[in-house]
Amino acid sequence: AAGVIQSPRHLIKEKRETATLKCYPIPRHDTVYWYQQGPGQDPQFLISFYEKMQSDKGSIPDRFSAQQFSDYHSELNMSSLELGDSALYFCASSLRQGAYNSPLHFGNGTRLTVT
Amino acid sequence: AQSVAQPEDQVNVAEGNPLTVKCTYSVSGNPYLFWYVQYPNRGLQFLLKYITGDNLVKGSYGFEAEFNKSQTSFHLKKPSALVSDSALYFCAVRDSGGGATNKLIFGTGTLLAVQP
Repeated sequence: AAGVIQSPRHLIKEKRETATLKCYPIPRHDTVYWYQQGPGQDPQFLISFYEKMQSDKGSIPDRFSAQQFSDYHSELNMSSLELGDSALYFCASSLRQGAYNSPLHFGNGTRLTVT
Repeated sequence: AQSVAQPEDQVNVAEGNPLTVKCTYSVSGNPYLFWYVQYPNRGLQFLLKYITGDNLVKGSYGFEAEFNKSQTSFHLKKPSALVSDSALYFCAVRDSGGGATNKLIFGTGTLLAVQP
């Protein structure tokens, strides 16, 4: 079965650079979530989109932005990168219908290293 | 606000023995609870969920979880552990606080180590 696809798998950037992470949800899933997982930490919710509109916002820095496109894929844009942004970034997708019932399906993540 | 707590950072168990990974929850309203497993450098894989119904929920890879309303717990269990079960396990609760997408809120994770 098709899963959530994230690209790239690994990304190395220098401080103050920008990065763009991409996420392709499971076909027919209309909701996308972004999570950040620091070393030894639990995943922290950043932001989510439903039908191309931002629907919830968590601990996402102002330096980050995200959007969901007409084909439902999503991109997380990160600017003025800091060392503390080094983490594993996960995208997840789900069906909003039956929202409480529908589990999130996660991609394998993008490991961002800021040097 | 919804939250889950995983009181153990690590659980050690011998292969073939039963395992339990603990989770307690705090919610307003009905709890919607999930367990995920994470292998190194991988995404979180869905194991099972409790929405309503039977208190014993069966999931993937032989795992099950017992929902206990009086103790506000949702412990993950398996009758016979395998070395390949060694991974990081996260308990999660669905946020019903008003966000349109009802995001998941994760516990801090429990590292399960199964010794041969």
